[in-house]
Amino acid sequence: QKEVEQDPGPLSVPEGAIVSLNCTYSNSAFQYFMWYRQYSRKGPELLMYTYSSGNKEDGRFTAQVDKSSKYISLFIRDSQPSDSATYLCAMTGANSKLTFGKGITLSVRP
Amino acid sequence: KAGVTQTPRYLIKTRGQQVTLSCSPISGHRSVSWYQQTPGQGLQFLFEYFSETQRNKGNFPGRFSGRQFSNSRSEMNVSTLELGDSALYLCASSLVTSGLQETQYFGPGTRLLVL
Repeated sequence: QKEVEQDPGPLSVPEGAIVSLNCTYSNSAFQYFMWYRQYSRKGPELLMYTYSSGNKEDGRFTAQVDKSSKYISLFIRDSQPSDSATYLCAMTGANSKLTFGKGITLSVRP
Repeated sequence: KAGVTQTPRYLIKTRGQQVTLSCSPISGHRSVSWYQQTPGQGLQFLFEYFSETQRNKGNFPGRFSGRQFSNSRSEMNVSTLELGDSALYLCASSLVTSGLQETQYFGPGTRLLVL
């Protein structure tokens, strides 16, 4: 079993839809949880960062962490064509080594 | 503030050759991590350097090595290249202070093609 599993996708939604992206993990040592967005031919860009269970909101983005279920989610409200990218969940424990999900490619249709 | 820069952006090598990739972190950042990204395996951690010392290492063979200089710039080297080393190599930098895990900021990557 991989340490981090991410829904494989790809995912295609119409503009304005609510998008839900999910990851599960098996390593209880993970304490810090991140979502990165990666556009084609670019490096990953940090979207959200959280270290506690619960919800964290930033504009149209909400990150949700459930440590008891080892499950994290990213919600995108009012999705836009500019949100079309690959989304990667990442997590780490006490050291700096990030463990990533495989990523899911999202396409938002105008 | 300038972001993480990586050079070169693209590289073509043949099997058996070696390659050196360079990363300049964000000014003031002292930790540099390297990752390999492939379609099959996704993003995988290679190693992390802090204050010129390797602090963490991933599960890659000894052909993959790195170093960090006193100005925090880092290089990674891959010797005896194999076809499977074709990938996007990403560098990430972070501030290191006591307390919470610091955010890592990624560069654009170096795309390596091994023929």
